[in-house]
Amino acid sequence: DGGITQSPKYLFRKEGQNVTLSCEQNLNHDAMYWYRQDPGQGLRLIYYSQIVNDFQKGDIAEGYSVSREKKESFPLTVTSAQKNPTAFYLCASSLGGFNQPQHFGDGTRLSIL
Amino acid sequence: GESVGLHLPTLSVQEGDNSIINCAYSNSASDYFIWYKQESGKGPQFIIDIRSNMDKRQGQRVTVLLNKTVKHLSLQIAATQPGDSAVYFCAENYNNAGNMLTFGGGTRLMVKP
Repeated sequence: DGGITQSPKYLFRKEGQNVTLSCEQNLNHDAMYWYRQDPGQGLRLIYYSQIVNDFQKGDIAEGYSVSREKKESFPLTVTSAQKNPTAFYLCASSLGGFNQPQHFGDGTRLSIL
Repeated sequence: GESVGLHLPTLSVQEGDNSIINCAYSNSASDYFIWYKQESGKGPQFIIDIRSNMDKRQGQRVTVLLNKTVKHLSLQIAATQPGDSAVYFCAENYNNAGNMLTFGGGTRLMVKP
């Protein structure tokens, strides 16, 4: 089945440690996105990529980094510079162009040890 | 399971009744809108979308209404079932240079048997 796979489901980070969240899609979508979700708040955009080898900062990019070396993959690294990393992280993808629905994976829950 | 919102507005309905979930959007230039359903511990699931050249669109058991005059969007669910219990988000496209979405804070729908 086509879809978006995020791994791991749960992740724990020690102080000063970088961690990388995986996102893979087999929908042949050009665009991919990373969001952060906190309790009581809507989704906030971290980074997005409209095409391979290109990505742009979203609203809350500080303390995060991404790469887009393959169309299918858009990993997110939460660096030690992100002082409040505990959240639910969601990856999405969509067809290129305007007004296309974004389709989401089932998220990674990141917590601090 | 994952808590996606601890202090969300909540709508409680009886099984079999119709549900109406409302959303006020912010940008009068937005021209594309989506409703998502999010169950605990999962990513948002696409329900239905609507473009600004329409004021109503129907799907299976769901209807979305768009009132551009007052910047209001609603999702109607017919014959609500226990499986409809979830958090519902509206999203608007705010940047025609890409496919960026701005998400509302969400409404929790609880269906009483």
